[in-house]
Amino acid sequence: SQTIHQWPATLVQPVGSPLSLECTVEGTSNPNLYWYRQAAGRGLQLLFYSVGIGQISSEVPQNLSASRPQDRQFILSSKKLLLSDSGFYLCAWASGTEQFFGPGTRLTVL
Amino acid sequence: RKEVEQDPGPFNVPEGATVAFNCTYSNSASQSFFWYRQDCRKEPKLLMSVYSSGNEDGRFTAQLNRASQYISLLIRDSKLSDSATYLCVVNRLGYGQNFVFGPGTRLSVLP
Repeated sequence: SQTIHQWPATLVQPVGSPLSLECTVEGTSNPNLYWYRQAAGRGLQLLFYSVGIGQISSEVPQNLSASRPQDRQFILSSKKLLLSDSGFYLCAWASGTEQFFGPGTRLTVL
Repeated sequence: RKEVEQDPGPFNVPEGATVAFNCTYSNSASQSFFWYRQDCRKEPKLLMSVYSSGNEDGRFTAQLNRASQYISLLIRDSKLSDSATYLCVVNRLGYGQNFVFGPGTRLSVLP
């Protein structure tokens, strides 16, 4: 069966510090991968998606970037965090018509 | 207008009540439809896919009306554990399989 891992589960970072969040998927190959952000009390915002290694599409211009160095690995990064980057970051995968989410990383930028 | 819209909520209902959630979508090219539930501070989890013929899973019934671009979710005999936010999701397929999430409707089932 397929599983999706994200780490860390929670993170507190100062403004201006770098960020790296990692997501890995097991039990499937060549999945579509997604990064979403959910601000407190708000809906899901799609940040990036990837249909294959090295292929990244950005939905919202911002100070974040994503990379897919391996088939089942998706990384979200920032060189300098802003206060507005605080939120719940969710990685998801899809290989058919359905989408499944990882447990998320709760990021607080102070 | 947002691509996927839902009842604003919140819905506060007593245990045992029947509750219905409504969702409309604006992109007629949408091809797949889903309901997810999201518990507080947790990730969304797939509740059920929605088919044109309608489908039922225990106390949950989902309906799709393509002509009206409308999706519904009915929960019968609601339980305390049904308390969550319910998200309507539409998949436009194509490049990247674009999943579009509605804002969600929060349900609180009260004892």
